[in-house]
Amino acid sequence: NAGVTQTPKFQVLKTGQSMTLQCAQDMNHEYMSWYRQDPGMGLRLIHYSVGAGITDQGEVPNGYNVSRSTTEDFPLRLLSAAPSQTSVYFCASTPRVTGQETQYFGPGTRLLVL
Amino acid sequence: AQKITQTQPGMFVQEKEAVTLDCTYDTSDPSYGLFWYKQPSSGEMIFLIYQGSYDQQNATEGRYSLNFQKARKSANLVISASQLGDSAMYFCAMILYSSASKIIFGSGTRLSIRP
Repeated sequence: NAGVTQTPKFQVLKTGQSMTLQCAQDMNHEYMSWYRQDPGMGLRLIHYSVGAGITDQGEVPNGYNVSRSTTEDFPLRLLSAAPSQTSVYFCASTPRVTGQETQYFGPGTRLLVL
Repeated sequence: AQKITQTQPGMFVQEKEAVTLDCTYDTSDPSYGLFWYKQPSSGEMIFLIYQGSYDQQNATEGRYSLNFQKARKSANLVISASQLGDSAMYFCAMILYSSASKIIFGSGTRLSIRP
């Protein structure tokens, strides 16, 4: 199993550009989520999904879109990048939505918006 | 409001000593879980331990134990016999099962182990 993979690892964007951060997991996990981590801070939930076709907003959803057409993939789209979106983005997946769970995190994507 | 609070931004501990990292939480959800994660300087998030709100006993995983006090809404992480490799950021997180399994994180505690 590759676990949770994220691409790209690094990205530089100009203000106003759009892009998609990719996240995939091969563990058949139902629950997937996106977080952003700003320097010296904890993770803040952007969007999450409890299964294919179901998504919901987290704490900081503005400026981001997600979709979950398959169990494996959960892409995060930046509609019009802003410098405030400079951050490290983590994708995570969990095998079940109830009960004891371990969240598996991807390696992160470092995004710089100029 | 649903919130995780970690009041210790940074801690220094002597090697081999035990250390307690504080975490308090606020939720009205009857069903929730609490996690601790370690983030070393390399940046990856490493799962350490989990405690469910209905679990009667405190969770333990090797040198890690979770001191769960439900009435006080605290879920402190205890690391016994600290090692130099324990130096990292530590995050407390909460999953809210009654709120579509939303997961929220605290701001973290930076733990530094002195030799």
